[in-house]
Amino acid sequence: AIQLTQSPSSVSGSVGDRVTIACRTSQDIRNNLAWFQHKPGIAPRLIIFSASVLERGVPERFSGSGSGTDFTLTIRSLQPEDFATYYCLTDYNDYTFGQGTKLEIK
Amino acid sequence: QLHLQESGPQLVETSQTLSLTCAVSGGSIVGASYYWSWIRRPAGEGLEWLGFVSTSGATGYTSYSPSLNRRATISLDTSRNQFILRLRSVTAADTAFYYCAGMRVPHAPGRAFDLWGPGMPVTVSS
Repeated sequence: AIQLTQSPSSVSGSVGDRVTIACRTSQDIRNNLAWFQHKPGIAPRLIIFSASVLERGVPERFSGSGSGTDFTLTIRSLQPEDFATYYCLTDYNDYTFGQGTKLEIK
Repeated sequence: QLHLQESGPQLVETSQTLSLTCAVSGGSIVGASYYWSWIRRPAGEGLEWLGFVSTSGATGYTSYSPSLNRRATISLDTSRNQFILRLRSVTAADTAFYYCAGMRVPHAPGRAFDLWGPGMPVTVSS
């Protein structure tokens, strides 16, 4: 099974900061990668798919990049509503999530 | 627009069968081009895909995570427009927040789960 490793496991930031989260896969998955935002008590929200495509309705301060085995989610100019846990997901073979990165307020 | 809602017991005894239902509203579970999935998040851990059922054929095609050791069954109840997860021989390790989700077919690379229910907690205890 494909393994997804996110780093860091947690990160803190202030409103207005730029934050980057990485996701490394154990094998080449081309661009079969998505990013989800998850807040306690509500359903996870798809924010990026195909590694770099912004889901409809998601603010443009979110961006994704990468292909193959190394991927990045960037949030420029953090807003209060962005503090959440972020997961990467691949659907290349089956469906595997990263372990999550918790974005906290500094 | 489709909406999903999980329901079922929030407390299950060790070694028993966990049974959760996902009600689909806003459209037909059969007519919509989705595979219907279950995903969970154990406390302090990340998200884990459990399996899905398609709406093709009489009973649908299913696929499950190998990590469940063949304990799971996902089925359709088309008369009630819902799908069901049954997980046998549960232990404390099955304690988690459970989500039902829809996977549009076909979908763009990575865009596997664009539809989710709000989730519900399930505790396994003796």
